[in-house]
Amino acid sequence: AQSVTQLDSQVPVFEEAPVELRCNYSSSVSVYLFWYVQYPNQGLQLLLKYLSGSTLVESINGFEAEFNKSQTSFHLRKPSVHISDTAEYFCAVSERTSGTYKYIFGTGTRLKVLA
Amino acid sequence: DTGVSQDPRHKITKRGQNVTFRCDPISEHNRLYWYRQTLGQGPEFLTYFQNEAQLEKSRLLSDRFSAERPKGSFSTLEIQRTEQGDSAMYLCASSLVGLAGRTQYFGPGTRLTVL
Repeated sequence: AQSVTQLDSQVPVFEEAPVELRCNYSSSVSVYLFWYVQYPNQGLQLLLKYLSGSTLVESINGFEAEFNKSQTSFHLRKPSVHISDTAEYFCAVSERTSGTYKYIFGTGTRLKVLA
Repeated sequence: DTGVSQDPRHKITKRGQNVTFRCDPISEHNRLYWYRQTLGQGPEFLTYFQNEAQLEKSRLLSDRFSAERPKGSFSTLEIQRTEQGDSAMYLCASSLVGLAGRTQYFGPGTRLTVL
């Protein structure tokens, strides 16, 4: 069965420092991978996704993630964080063979950027 | 593109009452999903529609839950005889079909509190 593990429930980091949010998944088939961000009392916003092609994907606000098939990981990184990046980040997978396209989410990582 | 909208944003009800939530997807999206998110957890898949057909339901969707999408546009999620364990954020998402449909766009959610 599919599962997604986000080992770090909370990550505090000082402003302008780099950050890595970890995501590992388990699946018997190939998957598509996603990172979503959730601000307080709001829905999920797509941050970036891996569907095919280059294993390194980037967002418009400086985040990047790399799909590592051998390690079944899709870690999210940013070289320099801002206060405004404080939010909860969810990793999700969707099986390529699934007709549903449904997502399996991790439990989330709360990023807190400190001044 | 007005995005996915959900109504109401917040609902407080007493145990045993019925509640209904509405989701309006992005207009050209023919797939619609419902997820439930409890405190400290990632969203969990409940059900999905392709056009007006409900094609999959999670085991989380007990007999007290029913979802409809009568004309393939908006969808409703009804919970009968609410219980305190139903307290959660209910998220709606929509997508296209095909590879583009692998990306789901989420609404702001309806936060349900059962007293």
